[in-house]
Amino acid sequence: GAVVSQHPSRVICKSGTSVKIECRSLDFQATTMFWYRQFPKKSLMLMATSNEGSKATYEQGVEKDKFLINHASLTLSTLTVTSAHPEDSSFYICSATGLAGGFPETQYFGPGTRLLVL
Amino acid sequence: DAKTTQPNSMESNEEEPVHLPCNHSTISGTDYIHWYRQLPSQGPEYVIHGLTSNVNNRMASLAIAEDRKSSTLILHRATLRDAAVYYCILSDTTSGTYKYIFGTGTRLKVLA
Repeated sequence: GAVVSQHPSRVICKSGTSVKIECRSLDFQATTMFWYRQFPKKSLMLMATSNEGSKATYEQGVEKDKFLINHASLTLSTLTVTSAHPEDSSFYICSATGLAGGFPETQYFGPGTRLLVL
Repeated sequence: DAKTTQPNSMESNEEEPVHLPCNHSTISGTDYIHWYRQLPSQGPEYVIHGLTSNVNNRMASLAIAEDRKSSTLILHRATLRDAAVYYCILSDTTSGTYKYIFGTGTRLKVLA
């Protein structure tokens, strides 16, 4: 149980285009979802927290107009990287907490999406 | 800033026990201690969590110091599949959403 999926697993795009990444909780309702980014050999950095039906809360230094987050349902959150540039190339990982039958604070992570901007 | 401190790397022999330490001297009374591990190019995987008492599950054991300023993740018999980066995390409850602030983690190498 408590499975989180991400789509796509990897994406290559041209500079200036927008890319959407989906995060789904497959077998539980996710009241809160989190988005992280990770650079090679580095730790995860929290980008934003989103609650279903509410605006996302962004961490300091994360541009909310560049990284659009939508948490439209209890099983789906999307991250859109707008006008992507090569420096946005990274590993993006989502996680979810909610009604998974276990400890409510436990975050269940997706497998990640590798974005390469050319 | 990360609220936990871990050694950058550790090595263990296969089928030997592994003790992964974590310092969290600024832990508050309501912070839970979470451990995750991450394999290359994958999302973190939940290992164990605890508050005050030692905890055991099928993957590992968590030993928490009496003053809660440190904890140790114990893998009883390391296998090659346990090679990963292990993260010790405290929940940040100040915002009410239990954010995780990841530290640098410990890269565990298991020797055959």
